[in-house]
Amino acid sequence: NAGVTQTPKFQVLKTGQSMTLQCAQDMNHNSMYWYRQDPGMGLRLIYYSASEGTTDKGEVPNGYNVSRLNKREFSLRLESAAPSQTSVYFCASSVVVGGSYEQYFGPGTRLTVT
Amino acid sequence: QQQVKQSPQSLIVQKGGISIINCAYENTAFDYFPWYQQFPGKGPALLIAIRPDVSEKKEGRFTISFNKSAKQFSLHIMDSQPGDSATYFCAASRSNNAGNMLTFGGGTRLMVKP
Repeated sequence: NAGVTQTPKFQVLKTGQSMTLQCAQDMNHNSMYWYRQDPGMGLRLIYYSASEGTTDKGEVPNGYNVSRLNKREFSLRLESAAPSQTSVYFCASSVVVGGSYEQYFGPGTRLTVT
Repeated sequence: QQQVKQSPQSLIVQKGGISIINCAYENTAFDYFPWYQQFPGKGPALLIAIRPDVSEKKEGRFTISFNKSAKQFSLHIMDSQPGDSATYFCAASRSNNAGNMLTFGGGTRLMVKP
């Protein structure tokens, strides 16, 4: 199993450009998540998807959209990139273990917006 | 509003010593408290987790201590090794139908000196 995979690994955008970050998991997990990681702030939830066909906002959704394409894939789109969106983006999926949802993270996408 | 506060931001420990990282939370509805370990250029990986019905959980050299009344929990790494050098994040969540949405602390960068 590859686990959670993300593409691309690195991306540089100019202000106003758009792009889509791709995420896929092969663990048959129902729930998937998008986080951003900034220095000193831990990881903050952008959007999540409890199951195929559903998405909900997290803590910092402004400037982003998501699509749960199928059970495996969950994409994050920046319609008009801004320098404040320079960050490392992580996708995760989760499974229930002993009543708790254990989250598994991908390797991340490092995005720079100039 | 940071609902999970983590300290210290950085920590240097000698090989064989004990590393202690502390977290405090505000939301009494939280019912799942995981710790994640992250190496440079990698995604966070689940290390150990605890639920509030127990005060301590140990897995190998890693122990979580939980104080429900004080709303605090901590990670203890016994016999710290250079390979433990990484960034550690505490997190908290409350169960809901959408899967546990994690709220992360700001992270602690641990360096274990040989």
